[in-house]
Amino acid sequence: KQEVTQIPAALSVPEGENLVLNCSFTDSAIYNLQWFRQDPGKGLTSLLLIQSSQREQTSGRLNASLDKSSGRSTLYIAASQPGDSATYLCAVFTGKLIFGQGTTLQVKP
Amino acid sequence: EADIYQTPRYLVIGTGKKITLECSQTMGHDKMYWYQQDPGMELHLIHYSYGVNSTEKGDLSSESTVSRIRTEHFPLTLESARPSHTSQYLCASSAAGENYGYTFGSGTRLTVV
Repeated sequence: KQEVTQIPAALSVPEGENLVLNCSFTDSAIYNLQWFRQDPGKGLTSLLLIQSSQREQTSGRLNASLDKSSGRSTLYIAASQPGDSATYLCAVFTGKLIFGQGTTLQVKP
Repeated sequence: EADIYQTPRYLVIGTGKKITLECSQTMGHDKMYWYQQDPGMELHLIHYSYGVNSTEKGDLSSESTVSRIRTEHFPLTLESARPSHTSQYLCASSAAGENYGYTFGSGTRLTVV
């Protein structure tokens, strides 16, 4: 059974720091991996989609990497801003989407 | 602009009322999904559809029902709302195939009093 784990569960950093969010999954048989952002009480916003054949994807200050063989993905956020404060969810697609529990990020001014 | 829309955004309703949560997408996606999420908790898949006239129950048992009469429309109905149905309901869609991501709506926050 596929399980997705995100570490840490919560993170608080000062503005301007570069940070890394971690996601691990137990079964490497995935089609793709998607990182989402969720603000409190809101829906999910897709940040990056990495296909199983890809190693990384970049969008602005965000960079996501995928190491399928080791069952790991990281989301790198450069020069963090208070507006980045949200919960970040990692999800793997195996035929259905399986979510991690999320990392709640707080960026302090 | 291609997107996925959920209405209403917030709904407060009395016990026993019938409610329908609307979800529409303009991306022509074949697959659509309903998730339920309590505050601070994980998402649970409650219904999905792979096309018109195709609906299936998800991983979490739900008293709600869904229909898919048109590709772009996937409403969720509760025949008799109860306080235990209080939650956030998120609709999503994806294109057919293995290489596409999910697009989520903004959600409907339902409170049953």
